[in-house]
Amino acid sequence: KQEVTQIPAALSVPEGENLVLNCSFTDSAIYNLQWFRQDPGKGLTSLLLIQSSQREQTSGRLNASLDKSSGRSTLYIAASQPGDSATYLCAVTNSGYALNFGKGTSLLVTP
Amino acid sequence: NAGVTQTPKFRVLKTGQSMTLLCAQDMNHEYMYWYRQDPGMGLRLIHYSVGEGTTAKGEVPDGYNVSRLKKQNFLLGLESAAPSQTSVYFCASRSGGGGSYEQYFGPGTRLTVT
Repeated sequence: KQEVTQIPAALSVPEGENLVLNCSFTDSAIYNLQWFRQDPGKGLTSLLLIQSSQREQTSGRLNASLDKSSGRSTLYIAASQPGDSATYLCAVTNSGYALNFGKGTSLLVTP
Repeated sequence: NAGVTQTPKFRVLKTGQSMTLLCAQDMNHEYMYWYRQDPGMGLRLIHYSVGEGTTAKGEVPDGYNVSRLKKQNFLLGLESAAPSQTSVYFCASRSGGGGSYEQYFGPGTRLTVT
């Protein structure tokens, strides 16, 4: 069974810092990996999707990398802002059916 | 462009009552999913469907039933609600074979069972 782990569980940084969120998974036979953002009491917003054949994806200040062989992904957020405060979820697709989620990293960016 | 919508947004049930959650998508997606999200547990798959008329069990299917009579709709039923089913329920969909397999999520339904 695929296990997805996110470290750290919570993170607090001052505005302007660059930061890295980590995601690891136990079964490297994945189709893709998605990073989501979830604001309190809200749904999931897809940030980036990396196919298994790709190494990284970028969107604005966000950059996600994937090392399938080692079972790791990182989400890099540049020049963090208070509006980035949210929970970030990592999820992988193995069988092509459903996503296996990590428990998330709760990020607080202080002014 | 509505994407994935869920009805209702909030609901409070008494133990033993029944209800149906409706998920609708307007992207002509083949695959649809129901997840539940609980504190400290992350999101877990309840049931899913790979096409109209098909359903399959996920990780935590007990106490739930589903139906996919129309391609655009995926219904999640609770026949006899229990306090353990207090949760936030998310529906998701994605396109069929080929493509990126990216899943799109609805806004969620907050269910409280007393």
